[in-house]
Amino acid sequence: QVQLQESGPGLVKPSETLSLTCTVSGDSVSSDSHYWGWIRQPPGKGLEWIGYIYYNGGNNYSPSLKSRVTISIDASKNQFSLNLNSVTAADTAVYFCARVGDDYGDYARFDFWGQGIPVTVSS
Amino acid sequence: DIQMAQSPSSLSASVGDRVTITCRASQSIRNYLNWYQQKPGKAPKVLIYAASTFQSGVPSRFSGSGSGTDFTLTISNLQPEDFATYYCQQSYSTPHTFGQGTKLEI
Repeated sequence: QVQLQESGPGLVKPSETLSLTCTVSGDSVSSDSHYWGWIRQPPGKGLEWIGYIYYNGGNNYSPSLKSRVTISIDASKNQFSLNLNSVTAADTAVYFCARVGDDYGDYARFDFWGQGIPVTVSS
Repeated sequence: DIQMAQSPSSLSASVGDRVTITCRASQSIRNYLNWYQQKPGKAPKVLIYAASTFQSGVPSRFSGSGSGTDFTLTISNLQPEDFATYYCQQSYSTPHTFGQGTKLEI
């Protein structure tokens, strides 16, 4: 069974960098069968797509976050990570990592999710 | 970006009812539409992808339809465990945007 687990600090100061890691078990982040993504959910609000990372290190980011976000893969640890710099209170949210399932490169959907990690931006 | 609009924002129903949630895209997304269910404090769970294809293990009382810009999620014979928030998501073009959610309440 595929499992994902987010880890990282729950409190980040404004203007600093939010760094989270997703550890994957039951699948390989370096396999070309799937790819991986991050989603966030501000308190009491809906889901926001952050971006994808592909097995070869290629990525695709939300235009609204593109200038501040980096998603990377560490195949040796079977992990992928999210870095979001210059954070403000608006970045306070639960952050989810997830696997992207698809049908031969089509019909992408998040088919396995981590439990989510709450992150607060505050001094 | 493609905008996704769900209606209604909230919905009250009873066990055994049949309910329909609508999702409208700001441009044609063909059938590149996913539906998720989220319960409080939990991660979302994918129910349907490609507008009408069941994710493995999803009960048959859930069904999806639509293409182009208009889509529906129908839940027949509502069960107590179905009371949750539902989100649509388009996977036609990145960013793969979500709708704002529909909260289904008892």
